[in-house]
Amino acid sequence: GEDVEQSLFLSVREGDSSVINCTYTDSSSTYLYWYKQEPGAGLQLLTYIFSNMDMKQDQRLTVLLNKKDKHLSLRIADTQTGDSAIYFCAESNPSGTYKYIFGTGTRLKVLA
Amino acid sequence: DADVTQTPRNRITKTGKRIMLECSQTKGHDRMYWYRQDPGLGLRLIYYSFDVKDINKGEISDGYSVSRQAQAKFSLSLESAIPNQTALYFCATSDRDRGNSGELFFGEGSRLTVL
Repeated sequence: GEDVEQSLFLSVREGDSSVINCTYTDSSSTYLYWYKQEPGAGLQLLTYIFSNMDMKQDQRLTVLLNKKDKHLSLRIADTQTGDSAIYFCAESNPSGTYKYIFGTGTRLKVLA
Repeated sequence: DADVTQTPRNRITKTGKRIMLECSQTKGHDRMYWYRQDPGLGLRLIYYSFDVKDINKGEISDGYSVSRQAQAKFSLSLESAIPNQTALYFCATSDRDRGNSGELFFGEGSRLTVL
């Protein structure tokens, strides 16, 4: 069935780059997303990419999509302590039911 | 005020009790969802509703029921709570417009503990 996989933890030092990886199985996915969950809060959309794109950059965030390998990554440049959160990868296919498949989430810890 | 509001934010209850979690939204979205978050399991869809008369089961609907009282309100019920329903529950909304990204807008969550 459809599945989205992520590693559970990542620890980086403040100022370094963080790279969070995700693999998915549904090749019909049209949108791939990164959501951020801060402590005690709900998820908020960080960025998304169309399946027909290879890369998207937004300030400190770079999303890379490898459709052949069904691999999505999120790079955060100059990681700050405020970036500490859980990051969820998700896929959906709006031509169907807008049904989302979420990954398990990667907990990013930024060390000062 | 938050666009998607969940009540209660925290609830401790006992096995066998009936619990209702409520969600209201001011975004004017047709689509509403209930998710459950467990550590290491990510978010799993319990129920979703694409309009007031449309209710659909998600991947883990057993033990849960929902009611879409109005476009803006979607409640989740546990008829007889059990300890493995202890989790963080999220309500979310999205816009049906196919021209947008399908972004989900989440409430702040309802933490439920069943003893």
